Amino acid sequence: QKEVEQNSGPLSVPEGAIASLNCTYSDRVSQSFFWYRQYSGKSPELIMSIYSNGDKEDGRFTAQLNKASQYVSLLIRDSQPSDSATYLCAALRRGATNKLIFGTGTLLAVQP
Amino acid sequence: DVKVTQSSRYLVKRTGEKVFLECVQDMDHENMFWYRQDPGLGLRLIYFSYDVKMKEKGDIPEGYSVSREKKERFSLILESASTNQTSMYLCASRRGGDETQYFGPGTRLLVL
Repeated sequence: QKEVEQNSGPLSVPEGAIASLNCTYSDRVSQSFFWYRQYSGKSPELIMSIYSNGDKEDGRFTAQLNKASQYVSLLIRDSQPSDSATYLCAALRRGATNKLIFGTGTLLAVQP
Repeated sequence: DVKVTQSSRYLVKRTGEKVFLECVQDMDHENMFWYRQDPGLGLRLIYFSYDVKMKEKGDIPEGYSVSREKKERFSLILESASTNQTSMYLCASRRGGDETQYFGPGTRLLVL
């Protein structure tokens, strides 16, 4: 199993809908998780981090962590065309706090 | 605002050439990283540095070396470029104890 796995998509949602992006992880990563957004041709930028079981909200974004099932989700409410991007899930490798492991990313397309 | 800059946005080199990719950050961050990003493979860590003159191998260090003579500058060196090193190269920096990695704009390298 890969350390961090994501469905590559594309995930297509209509404007105003909730976009749900998912990520699963293996035992080889620690309990620190990050969501990055990467627009086409640009570099990744951090949206949210989550360390504890449950939900963490920031504006239209909610990160969810379920340690028992080993998945992390990012929900985007009221999706806008400007949210169209690749979303990268990342986690710190267990025992190597300087090593961030990235999933391959999910492409989100918000249709106007 | 943290600023991470990379010396070139686009670079075309010949097989066998020695290639230098430069990265500079202006926020006195201890940690600096070099990644490459390829379709379907995501972001993979090549090398990182946690202090001046200190370096550690990432997941794919073969064919690369690095240099960090000053805190703000981290260089990636391709000793003898090969076509399989054609990729997008991303530099990042992070303050010690902080969770956020800041990425540079990336260098798209084509090796012919």
